[in-house]
Amino acid sequence: AQKVTQAQTEISVVEKEDVTLDCVYETRDTTYYLFWYKQPPSGELVFLIRRNSFDEQNEISGRYSWNFQKSTSSFNFTITASQVVDSAVYFCALLNRDDKIIFGKGTRLHILP
Amino acid sequence: DARVTQTPRHKVTEMGQEVTMRCQPILGHNTVFWYRQTMMQGLELLAYFRNRAPLDDSGMPKDRFSAEMPDATLATLKIQPSEPRDSAVYFCASGPDRGTYNEQFFGPGTRLTVL
Repeated sequence: AQKVTQAQTEISVVEKEDVTLDCVYETRDTTYYLFWYKQPPSGELVFLIRRNSFDEQNEISGRYSWNFQKSTSSFNFTITASQVVDSAVYFCALLNRDDKIIFGKGTRLHILP
Repeated sequence: DARVTQTPRHKVTEMGQEVTMRCQPILGHNTVFWYRQTMMQGLELLAYFRNRAPLDDSGMPKDRFSAEMPDATLATLKIQPSEPRDSAVYFCASGPDRGTYNEQFFGPGTRLTVL
């Protein structure tokens, strides 16, 4: 079965705190891609990162970082020194060989001033 | 800055009416996807085209939904007749065809409300 689980439905943190969004996936494929998308209140889906299954290096982009651990089938996303503008719904997603993206249910993140 | 465009951005209609949503994929992209987002189900794939041919529409209610690509620059999603449970945001995405594991670039979505 192909599945993406984001166990945290909603998270609230105070501005400047660090926050980690969890993502666990299931797939039978050995080659796959993982994504994170941000959906701000305006509604569009903003691409954040794509990672293939053979690249387990962690990635950092400014205040954002991603931790991919194949052994635990997890692809977690951390925002450091959160800001109010980070408030959004964040989706983790899995792309398999048949080009179908499977999305998690999303985590709604509230950054409180 | 190439983007996927969708029209209309918002649509309010009454139950039983026909609704047509349009998508212009990024020029040169050969794969087109339609997704529906609801609070209950999240983001679900409805249909998938490659080179204008439908490859998979198993996620689409067949009795009332239809998806087509009249040409390479236009994809349409039609609901006839519409029902209140069709209220959702419908996203179109397009991507280059590199064989497999193709990226998808999302449009801004059409927010549909069926009264």
